[in-house]
Amino acid sequence: LAKTTQPISMDSYEGQEVNITCSHNNIATNDYITWYQQFPSQGPRFIIQGYKTKVTNEVASLFIPADRKSSTLSLPRVSLSDTAVYYCLVGDKQGTGFQKLVFGTGTRLLVSP
Amino acid sequence: DAGVTQSPTHLIKTRGQQVTLRCSPKSGHDTVSWYQQALGQGPQFIFQYYEEEERQRGNFPDRFSGHQFPNYSSELNVNALLLGDSALYLCASSSRWSNQPQHFGDGTRLSIL
Repeated sequence: LAKTTQPISMDSYEGQEVNITCSHNNIATNDYITWYQQFPSQGPRFIIQGYKTKVTNEVASLFIPADRKSSTLSLPRVSLSDTAVYYCLVGDKQGTGFQKLVFGTGTRLLVSP
Repeated sequence: DAGVTQSPTHLIKTRGQQVTLRCSPKSGHDTVSWYQQALGQGPQFIFQYYEEEERQRGNFPDRFSGHQFPNYSSELNVNALLLGDSALYLCASSSRWSNQPQHFGDGTRLSIL
């Protein structure tokens, strides 16, 4: 499974756009890139998943360059409630239909007023 | 539609004791995975169950065992508890035949005295 590298922490202010970049140099052909958000004492919550180019949903965008060795999670106009830990994961379904998620230490985002 | 539910939410045990944690998957999901999350760390994969069998296992000792029932719910058992077993235990469910991401419960906080 490909290992990911992300910044340990980031600071932002309300209303700003936040971009968190994740490096995954050893990503495999079948790997998807998935981002989760976690608040203290809660389970991780799925944000977005992509394979290539750009994916957008109601809460975030995911930008993946052609070589797929990195990806950027973009959170538009963050609010105080976006303060959380964000995890970038890569992995496929292991060819058997089962997915083992490998978490790193994540990026701790602090949004201030 | 209920998501992943875990019980109990909190538990206190002493060293050497045994503990059983429970998980009910999201409706429509047939695969259950368990993760251990120590304070300040990302979740670590313990094992995964599908069709009542352990399909994948992470780097955890045999003191950690599990079970999946015909209704897809699951239990995590830990024997001979150590102080280092204190953590948030997370259950995630998914569908074997879908590429949709895993859904997590909010975990059981286990404290070992």
